[in-house]
Amino acid sequence: RKEVEQDPGPFNVPEGATVAFNCTYSNSASQSFFWYRQDCRKEPKLLMSVYSSGNEDGRFTAQLNRASQYISLLIRDSKLSDSATYLCVVNTGNQFYFGTGTSLTVIP
Amino acid sequence: NAGVTQTPKFQVLKTGQSMTLQCAQDMNHEYMSWYRQDPGMGLRLIHYSVGAGITDQGEVPNGYNVSRSTTEDFPLRLLSAAPSQTSVYFCASSQASGANVLTFGAGSRLTVL
Repeated sequence: RKEVEQDPGPFNVPEGATVAFNCTYSNSASQSFFWYRQDCRKEPKLLMSVYSSGNEDGRFTAQLNRASQYISLLIRDSKLSDSATYLCVVNTGNQFYFGTGTSLTVIP
Repeated sequence: NAGVTQTPKFQVLKTGQSMTLQCAQDMNHEYMSWYRQDPGMGLRLIHYSVGAGITDQGEVPNGYNVSRSTTEDFPLRLLSAAPSQTSVYFCASSQASGANVLTFGAGSRLTVL
């Protein structure tokens, strides 16, 4: 079983839409959780860390459910510039595990 | 600050050749790591290091060697390249593992013929 599983999409949404991505992880001992964004042929970059109480950064909201081992990312009022692949990342000990990514295209 | 610098950006090898992908960071990060990214597979950890002189294997270490003689540098060596090693390689570092955020290099695209 993969350490981190994500729906690969693709998600094609109109500008202004709200879109949600989900991710599950298999190791209950996992300690830290992140969402990264990766543009085509570029390196991943941190979008936001995910905290147990949930956290928000502008149009982006991340949630963590430790009991269900589930992480989510909500993007409100989608912009064209949000088009990218979103990677769910889980840290367990000294290793970071990446989901395969969810592709988002925001359409004008 | 340059952050994490990877070289080369592109490389083509023949099967059986060896090469080294270079990674250097100037942020005094203790933790450094190498990943490969393949379509449909996500990023997979090859090797990592929690400090100078300390290295450990990740998920897919076979065919790769690493060393960490300084805090700044973490080269990845392909001993005898195989077509299965065709991939995009990313080096990443963080202050330490755990809650600290990974900073990635720009990637090295390797093709093995």
